[in-house]
Amino acid sequence: AQTVTQSQPEMSVQEAETVTLSCTYDTSESDYYLFWYKQPPSRQMILVIRQEAYKQQNATENRFSVNFQKAAKSFSLKISDSQLGDAAMYFCAYRSAIGAGSYQLTFGKGTKLSVIP
Amino acid sequence: DTGVSQNPRHKITKRGQNVTFRCDPISEHNRLYWYRQTLGQGPEFLTYFQNEAQLEKSRLLSDRFSAERPKGSFSTLEIQRTEQGDSAMYLCASSLEQGAKLNSPLHFGNGTRLTVT
Repeated sequence: AQTVTQSQPEMSVQEAETVTLSCTYDTSESDYYLFWYKQPPSRQMILVIRQEAYKQQNATENRFSVNFQKAAKSFSLKISDSQLGDAAMYFCAYRSAIGAGSYQLTFGKGTKLSVIP
Repeated sequence: DTGVSQNPRHKITKRGQNVTFRCDPISEHNRLYWYRQTLGQGPEFLTYFQNEAQLEKSRLLSDRFSAERPKGSFSTLEIQRTEQGDSAMYLCASSLEQGAKLNSPLHFGNGTRLTVT
């Protein structure tokens, strides 16, 4: 079974600065997807960014980018120019590409990000 | 796209009572998922539907839990004889999956927070 580990329960960043959230995972599969989801307080979880394991190029979405290290099974999220609206719980998630397990996301425990004005 | 809608937002019930939650997915989405999230944890997969067929259930889903998705539209999750350990946020998500490779992002609802007293 796959596992996802987020080792930072809480992080804080000064507004306009850059912060990196860590995520590691364990799998024996070669083809899979990785995601970062954001869950603001009392609001729905939304997708921030996703990475396909067979793509070597790191995904980017505006101020959000990832550092995907397949051999190290590491998938960190970098948030540049942090804004107050970035304050939320961030979850790293894994999903198999095909076959059993491809229907479900396996989430880490989350990292609570605070943004300091 | 009106998003995934879940009702009720909050439910307080006494131990031993039955509760039912409803999820309305994004209209064209063919897959619907239920997750459970307890305090300080990431969401955990419960079950999913491909149209009206329930294709997989987690071992977390005891026989007190039942989910349906009649006609492949909305879904209900019923918990019978609730226990205090059932207290959690129940999240519904939907996605549009086409082809063999499953890479569409999940769209989550706001969740139903269940408190069992």
